[in-house]
Amino acid sequence: GAVVSQHPSRVICKSGTSVKIECRSLDFQATTMFWYRQFPKQSLMLMATSNEGSKATYEQGVEKDKFLINHASLTLSTLTVTSAHPEDSSFYICSARGVGQDLPNTEAFFGQGTRLTVV
Amino acid sequence: AQKVTQAQTEISVVEKEDVTLDCVYETRDTTYYLFWYKQPPSGELVFLIRRNSFDEQNEISGRYSWNFQKSTSSFNFTITASQVVDSAVYFCALNGGNTGNQFYFGTGTSLTVIP
Repeated sequence: GAVVSQHPSRVICKSGTSVKIECRSLDFQATTMFWYRQFPKQSLMLMATSNEGSKATYEQGVEKDKFLINHASLTLSTLTVTSAHPEDSSFYICSARGVGQDLPNTEAFFGQGTRLTVV
Repeated sequence: AQKVTQAQTEISVVEKEDVTLDCVYETRDTTYYLFWYKQPPSGELVFLIRRNSFDEQNEISGRYSWNFQKSTSSFNFTITASQVVDSAVYFCALNGGNTGNQFYFGTGTSLTVIP
């Protein structure tokens, strides 16, 4: 299957600072990327959907100015948590869909996730 | 509306027992895909299976089997002869089938296999 690499896997930052999380599709072109957030012992909640070269579409209740998403190329999307606070501590997972040899466009491939802790 | 329900929050079984994880979904799409993912404590999502709405044939892969019943909108997952390594959270997910559509995840079932 296709590979999606997410970095970093774990980050601790101070309250008020910004953190950038990268999501890369390694062997296919990701036309659409999704960012999810998962609180402890809860399900994955979609934060936003982005298509390459256009603005992300945010889900209701997600602050677009706080969670900046950039999908500038077909292999890279970034999520920046700006002015992070302890309540932003969570597990963030990206997924990517796209085109490639023998790649079903209905399947999304997930990154390994990033565990963010804001202290 | 798209919705996935996993009624079982937590399940504990003794090693070698069989266990079935339930998944019920709602969708108005005529074409859709159902998935199961495993999430071990490390957090990454491990893809287990994808099934499209036109294929109701049950599938078996080693100790794993899946029962897709369109009439009851269910896509249940059975682990036979469970092992400690099966301990994880399992998510059922629904996708509408069109490129760009998001995944809708159930709330997950936490499975603990006791040695």
